[in-house]
Amino acid sequence: QQQVKQSPQSLIVQKGGISIINCAYENTAFDYFPWYQQFPGKGPALLIAIRPDVSEKKEGRFTISFNKSAKQFSLHIMDSQPGDSATYFCAASRDDYKLSFGAGTTVTVRA
Amino acid sequence: NAGVMQNPRHLVRRRGQEARLRCSPMKGHSHVYWYRQLPEEGLKFMVYLQKENIIDESGMPKERFSAEFPKEGPSILRIQQVVRGDSAAYFCASSPAVSIYEQFFGPGTRLTVL
Repeated sequence: QQQVKQSPQSLIVQKGGISIINCAYENTAFDYFPWYQQFPGKGPALLIAIRPDVSEKKEGRFTISFNKSAKQFSLHIMDSQPGDSATYFCAASRDDYKLSFGAGTTVTVRA
Repeated sequence: NAGVMQNPRHLVRRRGQEARLRCSPMKGHSHVYWYRQLPEEGLKFMVYLQKENIIDESGMPKERFSAEFPKEGPSILRIQQVVRGDSAAYFCASSPAVSIYEQFFGPGTRLTVL
């Protein structure tokens, strides 16, 4: 039983475009929502994270939008660059260490 | 400042053999977590350890899998009598004592069982 559902499985975007990845969760006890970026052959690296007391968090070209009532959150990558090509994982935890990951989205940015 | 280190990076075992995966946390980190990533899937939590203590092993298969984090040396994930279904990428993460949420991941060990 997957606690965090992520979509799409993959996406292709032109350089300069916007990449949008969506995640949905069921467990209302989750209160920490990080996004990880993973390059081939590497481990996931923390990209940005949000707590449910805010609806949006922006760091550079990366923005998390959070909708508590819909139990959904999304990652927006603005002005996508070829170097952003990677697999992105959303995750959630209940104020503890046990991260529940989505299945991942492979983003390809075409030059 | 070296990150989380894992070795070996690639490990090939035949069915029935043992696999030992090692993880050295970042300097100053005393919490270690192991995750498994099956092909086309996200990471699944396996176990959380502190020095000499297993805190939560709820994600570990009941048989053949064990983990330790001794007072000295790296954390070890041990898989006995491996089967083809154990083929996966195994990631270790660590966090500092004061911020258990910020988990920093190693590059992973890719286990292939022939």
